[in-house]
Amino acid sequence: DAKTTQPPSMDCAEGRAANLPCNHSTISGNEYVYWYRQIHSQGPQYIIHGLKNNETNEMASLIITEDRKSSTLILPHATLRDTAVYYCIVRVLSQAGTALIFGKGTTLSVSS
Amino acid sequence: SAVISQKPSRDICQRGTSLTIQCQVDSQVTMMFWYRQQPGQSLTLIATANQGSEATYESGFVIDKFPISRPNLTFSTLTVSNMSPEDSSIYLCSVEGGRVNLNTEAFFGQGTRLTVV
Repeated sequence: DAKTTQPPSMDCAEGRAANLPCNHSTISGNEYVYWYRQIHSQGPQYIIHGLKNNETNEMASLIITEDRKSSTLILPHATLRDTAVYYCIVRVLSQAGTALIFGKGTTLSVSS
Repeated sequence: SAVISQKPSRDICQRGTSLTIQCQVDSQVTMMFWYRQQPGQSLTLIATANQGSEATYESGFVIDKFPISRPNLTFSTLTVSNMSPEDSSIYLCSVEGGRVNLNTEAFFGQGTRLTVV
């Protein structure tokens, strides 16, 4: 089962920052937080991941709380093309190896 | 990053038949994964396929229904056998980007959209 909880949907105005929250209260010390997104009818796209420090790349920033029980994905200037389902995933080592176990995700709708 | 090619991209099949989906990667990878995405749903892991060993299936998925081959480090196939309309889904292949650990992103193909009539 997925170890994360996300709101089912969010709205954001074009040009504004989109802040997508994720709760992962049972995360263990060596487990990473990953974010992917899926634009309609396409395969999931990797965005960013982190362990405990905040991370930033050309797509987004990832803010992880000090206790690691929650995180926020920030899209600094959302565009219409950022409309997608965003998945927050805690990656664990299990019988499935290091496979990503997806939850329901957050549907982000960016409007003009 | 890894470039993944899935074939076919979509197909419409008759119930009772089987379809084999191919996943080709442009580099050698240790672990490959197969997922199913039913209409309007999230992704569900079917199995993990490692070269040289039998695939490991998740609960609710069996080898007779979803046989998997992994003949080398760049290729895998998933067969959907004896199809019924309930098998209509998008099937996705995924690979690890590098060494097998928790600090390596995974990449996905564009999926195979299967409709069973």
